[in-house]
Amino acid sequence: DAKTTQPTSMDCAEGRAANLPCNHSTISGNEYVYWYRQIHSQGPQYIIHGLKNNETNEMASLIITEDRKSSTLILPHATLRDTAVYYCIVRVVTGGSYIPTFGRGTSLIVHP
Amino acid sequence: EPEVTQTPSHQVTQMGQEVILRCVPISNHLYFYWYRQILGQKVEFLVSFYNNEISEKSEIFDDQFSVERPDGSNFTLKIRSTKLEDSAMYFCASSPYTEAFFGQGTRLTVV
Repeated sequence: DAKTTQPTSMDCAEGRAANLPCNHSTISGNEYVYWYRQIHSQGPQYIIHGLKNNETNEMASLIITEDRKSSTLILPHATLRDTAVYYCIVRVVTGGSYIPTFGRGTSLIVHP
Repeated sequence: EPEVTQTPSHQVTQMGQEVILRCVPISNHLYFYWYRQILGQKVEFLVSFYNNEISEKSEIFDDQFSVERPDGSNFTLKIRSTKLEDSAMYFCASSPYTEAFFGQGTRLTVV
């Protein structure tokens, strides 16, 4: 799996967009970018994933650069409940098994 | 909305005792996982289960651990002889294919 690099921590004002970057410069053509988050002491929560096109769902948007070497998770209107550790995971999707492997992630603090 | 359910939420056990952690995955999901998280550390993969057998396991998942899907709905993790270092949050997850959905975890405390 390609290695990912994320900032250790970030903060954001409530109501503003939170933009969480992830570098994955060694990503290969068949590797997807996944984002999960973990709110304190809870189980990780799937947010979104993509291959090369930008993706949007009810939780967030995922912007992947054209060369696929980096991506940004965007929470358009952050709330206090979005305070969590956010994990960027790059993984090949195969027909047999897919196992999210968690690093340290980015600790996002949303403040009033 | 369907969710993964884990029981108990908290278990305290004496060192050397056997524990069974229980999970009810989301119906119709095909892949099942156990993870653990020691306090202050990363979420670590233990084992994946597909088609009624272990598909992958980590170095952590040694002979003291076993998994079972006894009745087609529950998914269990057994630790045969608990050690102090087994104290952690244990998360179960299920997946229809690629996105994994996690339960709220069982906090295991070994004393």
